[in-house]
Amino acid sequence: NAGVTQTPKFRVLKTGQSMTLLCAQDMNHEYMYWYRQDPGMGLRLIHYSVGEGTTAKGEVPDGYNVSRLKKQNFLLGLESAAPSQTSVYFCASSYSSAEYEQYFGPGTRLTVT
Amino acid sequence: DAKTTQPNSMESNEEEPVHLPCNHSTISGTDYIHWYRQLPSQGPEYVIHGLTSNVNNRMASLAIAEDRKSSTLILHRATLRDAAVYYCILRPYNFNKFYFGSGTKLNVKP
Repeated sequence: NAGVTQTPKFRVLKTGQSMTLLCAQDMNHEYMYWYRQDPGMGLRLIHYSVGEGTTAKGEVPDGYNVSRLKKQNFLLGLESAAPSQTSVYFCASSYSSAEYEQYFGPGTRLTVT
Repeated sequence: DAKTTQPNSMESNEEEPVHLPCNHSTISGTDYIHWYRQLPSQGPEYVIHGLTSNVNNRMASLAIAEDRKSSTLILHRATLRDAAVYYCILRPYNFNKFYFGSGTKLNVKP
């Protein structure tokens, strides 16, 4: 099993450009999550999904959109990138119950100039 | 949402035990206590979790206070590879969100 994979690993954008980050998992998990991590800080939840076709807002959803058209994929979109969105983005997935752990991807390092 | 409090940093000597504390005084009866760690330049990885009883696995032990308002992650013999940021997180049974907080940065000295 590949676990949780993220594409791309690195990206540099100019202010105002758009991009989509792809997260894929092969563990048949119902739940998927997108986090961002700024330097020296913990992870903050952007959006999450509890199943195919569903999405919900986390702590810091502004400026981002998400879609979960297939159970194994969770996409994070930036429509008009801003320097404040420079961060490392992590995707995670888990089974539905709170007694199960989250599995994290390796991260995408995004710089917006 | 129930939050956790951890020391910003701790230091340990290699091959000695490490006790990482976490306070969660507002924990509810159905919140699971999860611990994750994040090695430099990597995504977080699961360490251990529990509800009421102490738990052991191949990586660590989790000691949960009787009133569940605090817990301690125990690494029995720290190695250099254990140097990481350790996060104590409460996961509500009927809710889907994790709040990571700032964690404890563990430094292991050779």
